[in-house]
Order: sequence, then C-alpha cells, then structure tokens
Amino acid sequence: AQTVTQSQPEMSVQEAETVTLSCTYDTSESNYYLFWYKQPPSRQMILVIRQEAYKQQNATENRFSVNFQKAAKSFSLKISDSQLGDTAMYFCAFMKHITDMRFGAGTRLTVKP
Amino acid sequence: NAGVTQTPKFQVLKTGQSMTLQCAQDMNHEYMSWYRQDPGMGLRLIHYSVGAGITDQGEVPNGYNVSRSTTEDFPLRLLSAAPSQTSVYFCASTEGGTRTEAFFGQGTRLTVV
Repeated sequence: AQTVTQSQPEMSVQEAETVTLSCTYDTSESNYYLFWYKQPPSRQMILVIRQEAYKQQNATENRFSVNFQKAAKSFSLKISDSQLGDTAMYFCAFMKHITDMRFGAGTRLTVKP
Repeated sequence: NAGVTQTPKFQVLKTGQSMTLQCAQDMNHEYMSWYRQDPGMGLRLIHYSVGAGITDQGEVPNGYNVSRSTTEDFPLRLLSAAPSQTSVYFCASTEGGTRTEAFFGQGTRLTVV
C-alpha cells in the first residue's frame, strides 16, 4: 500500500514570506497523481494544487507551486507571499486510482502578522 | 451549485446506537467515497462507490455499511456505534477520467459516548 509522510506537524511563517511544506511518499507505481489540500478552520477540504506523475513540469497555481522529484518520491509545496488566509492544515495526498486516495497526517501552518 | 452536501454537521451518539450519515452530490459524479479524519492520521478511506449499485471497502471499513441506490446519494451507516468511531467524517465525489479532483462535503463531527 502506498504511504504518504508529512514530517512537519506544525510550521509558522511571517506574513508576506515564503514557506515550504514537505511530503514524501512510497510507491512502486509509475503513473499516479499527487495533491495538496488545504483545510481551514471551517473544516472544508479545498484543493490547492495537483500534479500528474507523468508530467515533468512542476505545477503552479498563483502563489502556490510544487517541487516534484519523482525519483526521490518527494512532493513539496511552496507558498509565496504568505497571507493570513493561508493559515490552515495542509494535507498531501497520493492517488493511483480514483477509488483510493491516501493522505498524509497533515501540517498545521500558521501565518503570523 | 451545492456540490457535496453532508448532514448532519454534528452528532452525539451513545455507544450501541445506530445512525446514518447522509451525503448527496449534484454534479453527476460517478465516484463517491467516505473518509474519516482522526488527529495525527490524516484522512482514511472507509468505503467507496464507482457508480450506482456498486460499492467496495476501503482501508478502515469495519463497523460501517454503505449503499448507492442512485448516482446522487451515498449514505454511511454506523451499525452499533463505538467510542472508537468518534471522528470527523467526510464524503467526497470525483467525476472520473482525467478529472481527478475530489470534491468534499463540509464534514460531520461525530462523538460516541
């Protein structure tokens, strides 16, 4: 079974600065999807960014970008120009099949004013 | 567009009681899933469905039943609640094909006393 590891239970960053959240995963598959989801205090799960493993180019969505290292099985999330609204739990997720998404334990990010 | 709707948002049960968590989606998605979220463990898959009439077990299915009589609805039944089932429950739906984003409901916080 695939496992997803987020080694940073909590992180903090000053407003307007950059922060990187780490994620590693274990799989023998070559084709799969990786995701970062954000969970603010409202509890809603919100997709931040998605990466297809067959694409070498790192995905970006406005202030959010990933560093996808397939050989190292690493998928980190970089948040630039951090905003107070970025305060949330962030979950890294691995998906080989739509019916089986595996999540990491999460990183709680606090953006300080 | 309502997306994925879960009810109730909060529930307290006594040990041994049964209940059904409701989930409905209005996006005509084929794939639906139930997850539980526990501190330090991320989200874990309970059951999933690939279409009306088809369901299967996920990572932690014991103590839960599901059915999928329509595309829209995917209820989760707790047969005899136990304190170990205290958790936050999320329903999700996914369109399928190249559309791999999971849309989540707002979650149900369940406490079993």
